[in-house]
Amino acid sequence: DQQVKQNSPSLSVQEGRISILNCDYTNSMFDYFLWYKKYPAEGPTFLISISSIKDKNEDGRFTVFLNKSAKHLSLHIVPSQPGDSAVYFCAARANQGGKLIFGQGTELSVKP
Amino acid sequence: ETGVTQTPRHLVMGMTNKKSLKCEQHLGHNAMYWYKQSAKKPLELMFVYNFKEQTENNSVPSRFSPECPNSSHLFLHLHTLQPEDSALYLCASSSGLASTGELFFGEGSRLTVL
Repeated sequence: DQQVKQNSPSLSVQEGRISILNCDYTNSMFDYFLWYKKYPAEGPTFLISISSIKDKNEDGRFTVFLNKSAKHLSLHIVPSQPGDSAVYFCAARANQGGKLIFGQGTELSVKP
Repeated sequence: ETGVTQTPRHLVMGMTNKKSLKCEQHLGHNAMYWYKQSAKKPLELMFVYNFKEQTENNSVPSRFSPECPNSSHLFLHLHTLQPEDSALYLCASSSGLASTGELFFGEGSRLTVL
């Protein structure tokens, strides 16, 4: 049973527009959520996170929204840039010290 | 020098070979992890080590054997693998299991089993 799901395997967006990457989860005990970004031939790198006590966290062009009632989080990138083209993984943790559970990733392509 | 270094970056092996993947972290972290990434699948946690002690084995077949001689080094010994074991193997570290959860990943070792 996959506890963290990214149902869109790919997303294509025009440069300058908004990219919205979605993630759904099933475990209501998750208390911390993270987004990782992965370029080809590189390991994932941490991008942004949000605690379950918040519903929004913003860092520059990146904003993560959390809707606990819907068990849904999303990553917004505004404005999108070609350098944002990568695979984005959503991850969740059940408690401090708990292991991270990852989604299967969404490949974002930002076209000039 | 990157924080988490993995070698080799690419490995091709036959099903009867024995090989090892190596991971080294220069971040002063206490926890180290092995993840497996197959195409279009979530990253799968394989093993967790905290202060050199294995704290998690996520039902990984015994043909994968981890070794953690110290907090900075982690190995994954491979023996009699199957073609379906072909994947990207990622090493990661964190300051501790009780941290906020942020992992620092290496660039991965791309394994192909013939």
